[in-house]
Amino acid sequence: GAVVSQHPSWVICKSGTSVKIECRSLDFQATTMFWYRQFPKQSLMLMATSNEGSKATYEQGVEKDKFLINHASLTLSTLTVTSAHPEDSSFYICSANGDGRLAEQYFGPGTRLTVT
Amino acid sequence: SQKIEQNSEALNIQEGKTATLTCNYTNYSPAYLQWYRQDPGRGPVFLLLIRENEKEKRKERLKVTFDTTLKQSLFHITASQPADSATYLCALPDTGRRALTFGSGTRLQVQP
Repeated sequence: GAVVSQHPSWVICKSGTSVKIECRSLDFQATTMFWYRQFPKQSLMLMATSNEGSKATYEQGVEKDKFLINHASLTLSTLTVTSAHPEDSSFYICSANGDGRLAEQYFGPGTRLTVT
Repeated sequence: SQKIEQNSEALNIQEGKTATLTCNYTNYSPAYLQWYRQDPGRGPVFLLLIRENEKEKRKERLKVTFDTTLKQSLFHITASQPADSATYLCALPDTGRRALTFGSGTRLQVQP
């Protein structure tokens, strides 16, 4: 149980375009999902907390107008990178924990974004 | 501010030996601490959670200790195997919320 999927697993886009990444909890309902970004040889950095039915909470320094998060259902959160630039190239990972799993987070496989 | 430190240098050990990884933290009083495994190009996988009132926790070949006085956790893999080669991340909950802060991770390489 506790499987989280992400789609796509990798994407290449041109500078100035927007990219949407989906995060789904497959076998449980996730009231809270988290979006992380990881640059090469660095650890995961929390970008935002996505709450079902309400606005996301962004970490300091993360532009909410650039990284749009929508958590429209208990099993789906989306991250849209708007007007992407090469410096947005990174590994984006989502995680989820439901009401019954207050502490453990289950991570998706990640999405590799390359902006050319 | 909260800070988590893991040895950034890779740990190389021989197959069959015990690997010991360290996680130190400052300016924290966490209710629990977690360890994750991350393979290249993949998301982290949850391994173990240890609560502040637990000194030690085991799961198969894994053992975690948690010393809240020293503000340190040790992660042990006994009878290590080449398949254990990965980066191991220590994580603590942010104060007052479910989000996690991760250490930089320690890369373990088990030589056959």
